[in-house]
Amino acid sequence: LAKTTQPISMDSYEGQEVNITCSHNNIATNDYITWYQQFPSQGPRFIIQGYKTKVTNEVASLFIPADRKSSTLSLPRVSLSDTAVYYCLVGDTPGGYNKLIFGAGTRLAVHP
Amino acid sequence: DVKVTQSSRYLVKRTGEKVFLECVQDMDHENMFWYRQDPGLGLRLIYFSYDVKMKEKGDIPEGYSVSREKKERFSLILESASTNQTSMYLCASSQQGAGYGYTFGSGTRLTVV
Repeated sequence: LAKTTQPISMDSYEGQEVNITCSHNNIATNDYITWYQQFPSQGPRFIIQGYKTKVTNEVASLFIPADRKSSTLSLPRVSLSDTAVYYCLVGDTPGGYNKLIFGAGTRLAVHP
Repeated sequence: DVKVTQSSRYLVKRTGEKVFLECVQDMDHENMFWYRQDPGLGLRLIYFSYDVKMKEKGDIPEGYSVSREKKERFSLILESASTNQTSMYLCASSQQGAGYGYTFGSGTRLTVV
């Protein structure tokens, strides 16, 4: 299983860009990198997924270097409502079952 | 909008009771998962299923069983509830194959007294 390491917590202010980096040194060739967001008392919500280079959607960007041993989630111009826990996951796909293992996540606090 | 629905948002049960947590998805996903989430421990995988009547143990299956009789429904069963099973339980589903994200339900907060 490819494990991930990400900061336990981060602080930011409204309007700033936030970058959360995740390391996954043992990522396998077939693994995708996925980020989830979780608010208190809710299930995690899918944010973005990528395999290599850069992926962008309406919520965030995901930067993945060529060696794929790390990835960076970028949240542009955060607001108070972006305060949440963010999980970086690397897909474990035995037989294509796409079983994901969650780490501790990064607790992002956005301040006024 | 696609959904994963968990039957109860909050549940209180007594020690020794048999508890059923139900999860239904409307996306025709092959894979379904049960996690529990506890403060300081994150999300831990209990069981998962990749097809009807198929199941695989996750990281913490002890004290739990599952049932998947229909593709859209995945049930978690606590055979004899104990206080250490007080937790937030999260169900998720995903499409078969690499590169697909999970869709989670809103969770069931179970308290065993």
